Amino acid sequence: EVQLVESGGGLVQPGGSLRLSCAASGFTFSNYWMTWVRQAPGKGLEWVANTNQDGSEVNYVDSVKGRFTISRDNAKDSLYLQMNSLRADDTAVYFCARKGGGLRWGQGTLVTVSS
Amino acid sequence: EIVLTQSPGTLSLSPGERATLSCRASQSVRSDYLAWYQQKPGQAPRLLIYGASSRPTGIPDRFSGSGSGTDFTLIISRLEPEDFAVYYCQQYGRSPETFGQGTKVEIK
Repeated sequence: EVQLVESGGGLVQPGGSLRLSCAASGFTFSNYWMTWVRQAPGKGLEWVANTNQDGSEVNYVDSVKGRFTISRDNAKDSLYLQMNSLRADDTAVYFCARKGGGLRWGQGTLVTVSS
Repeated sequence: EIVLTQSPGTLSLSPGERATLSCRASQSVRSDYLAWYQQKPGQAPRLLIYGASSRPTGIPDRFSGSGSGTDFTLIISRLEPEDFAVYYCQQYGRSPETFGQGTKVEIK
């Protein structure tokens, strides 16, 4: 069974940084593209970034380019999202997801950007 | 960027009725890389359909997907009480991958 557990969310001031982690189990992590998706309170889903199996290819939505960095450690079966220069409109639940015939999702971690 | 437009925004139906949800893309979706998800309040989305028409293991056969190119449809043949939720389509054939704005299926 695919299991994805996000951590690292919390309250951060505008301009601050946060690093999200996603621990994967139940599948061969190194075989799959991995994705981050976010959902602002009361809003729809927004694709944020993804990375290929060895981390050599990464893609981002325009609104986070230059501020967020997606990475992975296949030895630890873990995915990361380094978020810098955070803004109020980055406030959302951040989901980690495995890509492979659609997305399989973790439960998410809440990031709140506020002073 | 491929923009996905879902309609209607809200669908008010009774249990046992048929639900038809639409997802229209601004450009052709490559190789039918189109998925549908169900989300209930406070929960993560759940994959219902991938590749426009394939169901993952464990998804009931009352959920079916169809379409190609720019027009896609999700049909729930007979609504069960647990099917009232928000549904999203997503294209994953071209970066940035994008989601529709969602269709809420509510109890009439």
